[in-house]
Amino acid sequence: DGGITQSPKYLFRKEGQNVTLSCEQNLNHDAMYWYRQDPGQGLRLIYYSQIVNDFQKGDIAEGYSVSREKKESFPLTVTSAQKNPTAFYLCASHQQGGETQYFGPGTRLLVL
Amino acid sequence: AQSVTQPDIHITVSEGASLELRCNYSYGATPYLFWYVQSPGQGLQLLLKYFSGDTLVQGIKGFEAEFKRSQSSFNLRKPSVHWSDAAEYFCAVGRYSADGLTFGKGTHLIIQP
Repeated sequence: DGGITQSPKYLFRKEGQNVTLSCEQNLNHDAMYWYRQDPGQGLRLIYYSQIVNDFQKGDIAEGYSVSREKKESFPLTVTSAQKNPTAFYLCASHQQGGETQYFGPGTRLLVL
Repeated sequence: AQSVTQPDIHITVSEGASLELRCNYSYGATPYLFWYVQSPGQGLQLLLKYFSGDTLVQGIKGFEAEFKRSQSSFNLRKPSVHWSDAAEYFCAVGRYSADGLTFGKGTHLIIQP
């Protein structure tokens, strides 16, 4: 089945630790996105990438980093510089010329 | 800067009653407009979208939305809600469909029996 896979479903981070969230898609989509969701805040764009080896900052990129070495993969690293990382993280993808962003099931990050 | 306002944080509707969820946007030109639905702990599912043309758009699950340029609104409607419609609803706007989207804060829909 085609779709977007995010892993793990739940992730725990210790203070001062970097963690990486995985996002993989087998839809052959060109563009991929990371959003952060907090209760009552809706979704906010962290980073997006429209082609391999290129990405742009979104509205809240501080404390996060990404890479896009393969078309199907767009991992997000939450660094120790992100002081409030507890949130639900959603990955999305989009096909060039298409009309819709498709979302993965999300990863919930919790700080210990 | 673009923005989206969903004025209602929570809405409670009786099963079988009609529904309207409000969405207002701020944008320099005609944007791409979307409504997504999210069940608890899940990703987002697209309900419908507007890019151009007919200002009344039909979506999945019996939902429709109307784009009103003069009011900068894109309200979501359903004539008769079902208990399974209980969820969080998000309105979103983008310059192009490939851009990162700007989302509203969401409206939590509660269905009363």
